[in-house]
Amino acid sequence: KQEVTQIPAALSVPEGENLVLNCSFTDSAIYNLQWFRQDPGKGLTSLLLIQSSQREQTSGRLNASLDKSSGRSTLYIAASQPGDSATYLCAVRGGSYIPTFGRGTSLIVHP
Amino acid sequence: GAVVSQHPSWVICKSGTSVKIECRSLDFQATTMFWYRQFPKQSLMLMATSNEGSKATYEQGVEKDKFLINHASLTLSTLTVTSAHPEDSSFYICSARDSGRGHNEQFFGPGTRLTVL
Repeated sequence: KQEVTQIPAALSVPEGENLVLNCSFTDSAIYNLQWFRQDPGKGLTSLLLIQSSQREQTSGRLNASLDKSSGRSTLYIAASQPGDSATYLCAVRGGSYIPTFGRGTSLIVHP
Repeated sequence: GAVVSQHPSWVICKSGTSVKIECRSLDFQATTMFWYRQFPKQSLMLMATSNEGSKATYEQGVEKDKFLINHASLTLSTLTVTSAHPEDSSFYICSARDSGRGHNEQFFGPGTRLTVL
């Protein structure tokens, strides 16, 4: 059974810092990996989707990497802003195409 | 494109009553929809997979008689929490798979906050 772990569980940083959020998974036979953002009391917003054959994806200040063999992905946030404050969820999709979610990293960026 | 809506966004009900939550794909057809439950500071836990025109597939530990799922059309799935109790209070999120895009992505609704008094 796939298990997804996200470290750290919570992070509080001053504005402007570059951040790395980590996601690890136990079964490397994945179809793809997706990073989401969730604001308090809201649904999920997709940030980046990495197919199993890809190494990384970039969107604006966000960069996600994938090392399938070691079961790891990182989400890099450059020049963090208060508006980046949210919970970031990592989801791994295997053969069933149903994603398994981590518990998320709660990020606070203070001015 | 690829918008999923949920209604209501929040609901408060008395213990013992039933609550229906709707999930709609607004601009695409979804043969498959998913229902998740999320407790505070916890991850999303899949409750059931709903396929249009057939019975839902429930995850282990989820009572199918308590959480009734109906997926009567390609754009609508409903989750009914029957005889709700305070422990059913949670954030319920649905997602829909765009039939035209294969298995690649699911699109998530904004969630429904259920509070059972």
